[in-house]
Amino acid sequence: KQEVTQIPAALSVPEGENLVLNCSFTDSAIYNLQWFRQDPGKGLTSLLLIQSSQREQTSGRLNASLDKSSGRSTLYIAASQPGDSATYLCAVSSPSNTGKLIFGQGTTLQVKP
Amino acid sequence: NAGVTQTPKFRVLKTGQSMTLLCAQDMNHEYMYWYRQDPGMGLRLIHYSVGEGTTAKGEVPDGYNVSRLKKQNFLLGLESAAPSQTSVYFCASSYGGFTSYNEQFFGPGTRLTVL
Repeated sequence: KQEVTQIPAALSVPEGENLVLNCSFTDSAIYNLQWFRQDPGKGLTSLLLIQSSQREQTSGRLNASLDKSSGRSTLYIAASQPGDSATYLCAVSSPSNTGKLIFGQGTTLQVKP
Repeated sequence: NAGVTQTPKFRVLKTGQSMTLLCAQDMNHEYMYWYRQDPGMGLRLIHYSVGEGTTAKGEVPDGYNVSRLKKQNFLLGLESAAPSQTSVYFCASSYGGFTSYNEQFFGPGTRLTVL
């Protein structure tokens, strides 16, 4: 059964810093991995989706990588801004869970001005 | 293009009362989902639908019922609310299924409190 872990649970950085958020999963056989952003009291916004055959995806200042063999994905945020402050969730779709999304607990990011 | 919308945004119920949460999407997506989000538990799938007229159980279906009479709408019902159902409920939809490119799009959520 797929399990998804995100460490750390919280992260605080000064504005302008480049940072990496981590996501690990226990079963390397996956269909895809999706990164979401959630602002307080709001819904989830899809940031990036990496399919099993891909190694990375980029959108603006965001870059997500996928290493299935090690069961890891990272979300790289370049030149962080206070507006990046939010909770970031990763979710994995895999055969062991009949393709349903399994979510990590999230990393809450605070970017200080 | 509104994406995924949910009604209502907030609701307070007393134990034993019933209610229905409405989800609507205008992206012509086949798949729709209901999740609940609880502190320390993350997001968990309650029920889902792979097309109009279909429903299936997710990870935590007990105490909930769903219906998908129209492709664009997915309803979540609580027949007899319990305090354990206090949560934030999210609806999502996707074009593809579980084994294909299935980027999920989420609604803004419904915050439900059961007293």
